[in-house]
Formats: sequence, C-alpha cells, structure tokens
Amino acid sequence: DGGITQSPKYLFRKEGQNVTLSCEQNLNHDAMYWYRQDPGQGLRLIYYSQIVNDFQKGDIAEGYSVSREKKESFPLTVTSAQKNPTAFYLCASKWGQNPEAFFGQGTRLTVV
Amino acid sequence: EDKVVQSPLSLVVHEGDTVTLNCSYEVTNFRSLLWYKQEKKAPTFLFMLTSSGIEKKSGRLSSILDKKELFSILNITATQTGDSAVYLCAVPSAPSGSRLTFGEGTQLTVNP
Repeated sequence: DGGITQSPKYLFRKEGQNVTLSCEQNLNHDAMYWYRQDPGQGLRLIYYSQIVNDFQKGDIAEGYSVSREKKESFPLTVTSAQKNPTAFYLCASKWGQNPEAFFGQGTRLTVV
Repeated sequence: EDKVVQSPLSLVVHEGDTVTLNCSYEVTNFRSLLWYKQEKKAPTFLFMLTSSGIEKKSGRLSSILDKKELFSILNITATQTGDSAVYLCAVPSAPSGSRLTFGEGTQLTVNP
C-alpha cells in the first residue's frame, strides 16, 4: 500500500544525544515536510524539501537538521542543540502544486 | 508573515449537538484553505476550499469559505463520540504555496 512510514513510533533519548527520526514515502511525492506538535498546539514547520538534494528551513529549524538524498526519504535529526526536543513529530508529503499533504503516524520523542 | 487562527481552542459538547469551528487567516497570495481531522496521530484530510460561498459537504460535516472576510467555518451536525478529535485548519503559504501554515487546532470532545 502507498503511504508514509515514520519510525520509530516512540523514542526515548538522553539529554545531550543526537537522534534521527525516519520518514519514508512510496507515493512518488516531490515535497516532504517535518512538523512538530506540542500539547494543545498546532503543527509548526521544522524543515521542508521540494526536490532531492534541496531543503529549506521552516519556522523552528534551530536544533534540527535534515537530508534529502533520495526522493523517498527525508530523515530528521534532533541534535543536542535543540533545547526542548520532547514533542510529537509528524512527517508529511505532497505532490507538485496540489496543496493536500499526506501524513505519517508520527514519532513521539521523549528526552529523559 | 502568514497566519492562521482557529477558535475556539477547545470545545466540549454532547452527542447530537451541532458545532461550528472557526478559522481565520492572513496569507499572501491566497490559494486555498484545508481542513484536517487528527484523532490520535496522523491528520487526515477533510476538505479543500478555494472559492467563496461554495459549501463542501461530506456526510454530517460541511465547510465554507469567505475570501472577503478571510475566514472559514467547519460545521458538524448531529455530533457523535467518534467526532472527538483535533480539527486543524491550514493554508498554503509563501513563497510559492509550497508549505502549509497550520492553526493551533480546535480540540473537540463529544460526550455521550
């Protein structure tokens, strides 16, 4: 089935450690996105990529990094520089100029 | 800066009630407005609105856009407990509509 797969679903990390969240899609979508969601808040854009080997910062990129080496994959690294990384992270993708984005099931990251 | 504001942030109703959720926006070069439902993890697409005054309808849910007053409403009639979710409003935003800007969401709780 076509879709977006995020892994892992739950992730625990010690303070000071980097961690990478996986996002893979087989929808042949050009654009991919990473959002962060905190309790009681909407989705805030971290990074997005419209084509392979290119990506742009969103509204809250500090402390995060991404890569887009393949069309299907857009991993997000949460670095130790991110001051408050505990959150729910959602990956999304969309095709061309169609505004409808499709979402993965999310990764809940907890820093202990 | 593009902006989306939703109200109310939280709403508790009884089964059978009708609810109206609000979304106002400020965006350069408006293209469309999207509504999503988020039950537990991945937001799922409900509606995309591009033209003023044309109602989109799906079962008990309907939505309409007012481009002059820059807002949209989402109506849910005869609510059921399964309608309990966060409802998110989003608009494609600058520079080329390639990113979605989300509102804070409305947490709807439908009690039996």
